[in-house]
Amino acid sequence: EPEVTQTPSHQVTQMGQEVILRCVPISNHLYFYWYRQILGQKVEFLVSFYNNEISEKSEIFDDQFSVERPDGSNFTLKIRSTKLEDSAMYFCASVDSETGGYTFGSGTRLTVV
Amino acid sequence: LAKTTQPISMDSYEGQEVNITCSHNNIATNDYITWYQQFPSQGPRFIIQGYKTKVTNEVASLFIPADRKSSTLSLPRVSLSDTAVYYCLVGDVGAGNMLTFGGGTRLMVKP
Repeated sequence: EPEVTQTPSHQVTQMGQEVILRCVPISNHLYFYWYRQILGQKVEFLVSFYNNEISEKSEIFDDQFSVERPDGSNFTLKIRSTKLEDSAMYFCASVDSETGGYTFGSGTRLTVV
Repeated sequence: LAKTTQPISMDSYEGQEVNITCSHNNIATNDYITWYQQFPSQGPRFIIQGYKTKVTNEVASLFIPADRKSSTLSLPRVSLSDTAVYYCLVGDVGAGNMLTFGGGTRLMVKP
């Protein structure tokens, strides 16, 4: 079964530092998403990406966040200057264009100290 | 988006059938009902999706009454490994549609 791969599985960073979370979506999928889940809370939508541009973003996805698909296989989420409240699990998902079926990665646990 | 209501938690024992009901009174004509499962520190995993009546796959069954204002996820003969959070999502399906997760139902399967 095809998988969405996320790296690293766990990242610890100091407040104010930049982090890049990486995702390798399923190869023939065209829609990509980032979601996050703060410990003990709901899974929240951050951003959707299609045809090399953002198609939708939430209020959480402010100017400190950016996404990129630099090389046709990787899909990255960058947080420019991390805050303590950015500590969360970040999940990448890629979506089958024909079925609308989501496949989530195992997530990156980001801890900002 | 249709709001969903499901129990916060449920307990069961190995080998039992578990039924988790989700209410979605404001479901729209175009909306589908989708259930996801999430283990600790993992991403949500698709379980089953339906529009009306009954859908069954190798993992679960989904029962949807005619008015579609609720749905029931049925897990046959649960095992300890079915301990997870189960989310009911209601919305238009399609690759460009984001998912809106509620709080889910935390299922604890005991030996």
